[in-house]
Amino acid sequence: DAGVIQSPRHEVTEMGQEVTLRCKPISGHNSLFWYRQTMMRGLELLIYFNNNVPIDDSGMPEDRFSAKMPNASFSTLKIQPSEPRDSAVYFCASSLVDRPNQPQHFGDGTRLSIL
Amino acid sequence: KQEVTQIPAALSVPEGENLVLNCSFTDSAIYNLQWFRQDPGKGLTSLLLIQSSQREQTSGRLNASLDKSSGRSTLYIAASQPGDSATYLCAVNWGSNYKLTFGKGTLLTVNP
Repeated sequence: DAGVIQSPRHEVTEMGQEVTLRCKPISGHNSLFWYRQTMMRGLELLIYFNNNVPIDDSGMPEDRFSAKMPNASFSTLKIQPSEPRDSAVYFCASSLVDRPNQPQHFGDGTRLSIL
Repeated sequence: KQEVTQIPAALSVPEGENLVLNCSFTDSAIYNLQWFRQDPGKGLTSLLLIQSSQREQTSGRLNASLDKSSGRSTLYIAASQPGDSATYLCAVNWGSNYKLTFGKGTLLTVNP
């Protein structure tokens, strides 16, 4: 199994630019999660999809952030316009939540730096 | 408010030592608890998941225990090795079957 695949691994861009992060979940998993990790706040859930439908986006910090899952094998997290305080590591994870007590599997993350 | 705390933030031990990492949580009505390992520049690797009805889980040199009444979990690592050096994170699922609340982690360094 290839695991959760995220791209790009690193992104450096200037304030105001649009940023798109990509994620391919593990085949067969029906749930996908986007997290953000910072030194100050640790790991925070941004949004959760089940069967490609957004179920909980209460962690999305503001309207500049949006996420889509057009099919079971692809999701994007977009920031427009980006700001320096968005600098963080963004993780995607997938799981099979229809079965109880299934662990979440994480990708290697995208390290985002907004200058 | 449901919170997860991990103390200490960092721990350094000599190789071969047995060690315990601590995790505490504020609400005992958990669904399950997971321990993860994070290597520098990498994502999280799930180590052990303890269901609410369980008291402990074991995998190789790792043993995780759960005491819901006291709001605590421990991760025991036997005969530590330099390759165990990483950040260890505890995450609690409070009944939603998906939403994990993470502690800030303990950075473990095992010195050869």
